[in-house]
Amino acid sequence: QVQLVESGGGLVKPEGSLRLSCAASGFTFRDHYMSWIRQPPGKGLEWVSFIGGNGRTKYYADSFKGRFTISRDNAKNSLYLQVNSLRAEDTAVYYCARSRGGPYYFDYWGQGTLVTVSS
Amino acid sequence: EIVLTQSPGTLSLSPGERATLSCRASQSVNSNYLAWYQQIPGQAPRLLISGASSRATGVPDRFSGSGSESDFTLTISRLEPEDFAVYYCQQYGSSWTFGQGTKLEI
Repeated sequence: QVQLVESGGGLVKPEGSLRLSCAASGFTFRDHYMSWIRQPPGKGLEWVSFIGGNGRTKYYADSFKGRFTISRDNAKNSLYLQVNSLRAEDTAVYYCARSRGGPYYFDYWGQGTLVTVSS
Repeated sequence: EIVLTQSPGTLSLSPGERATLSCRASQSVNSNYLAWYQQIPGQAPRLLISGASSRATGVPDRFSGSGSESDFTLTISRLEPEDFAVYYCQQYGSSWTFGQGTKLEI
């Protein structure tokens, strides 16, 4: 069965950096676009970024261009999100999600990893 | 950017009743590329509907999606206790955006 397991979250000081990981299993990873979506505490969902199966095609929401970098390692069935210059407003649960057929909707989600930015 | 506005913000109903949730887009959504998700507190979102009206695998048939262009609806025909959750719409016709959510409460 499809499984997505995020890791790498935790408490980070403002201006710090973090690399989130998502380990995928149960499907042919390289065949799917993958995405990161975040959810601040008590708030709604925000799409962050998409990456194509070959890792060359990348999309970012305007709010996340510059400090956020998505990448993947198909040999390791893993998705990554590098976040730099963290701010308090980046505090959120970060989900990885699989897209079906292209960069469309999200048919499977991980359980998320919490990032807390605080001094 | 297409902005999705969901209404109502909170919907209070009882088990067995019918729920109607609305999602309106600031402009027409290409090819009816509209999805619905359910999120139970403490859990990840779960895909319910894609393409405005296609139920995802394993989703009970009491859930149905309808609509086109800029006006979409998620209907739950007879509410079960496990249906009380937050529901989000998402468009994927032009970039990717989510609505702010509708909380369905008992």
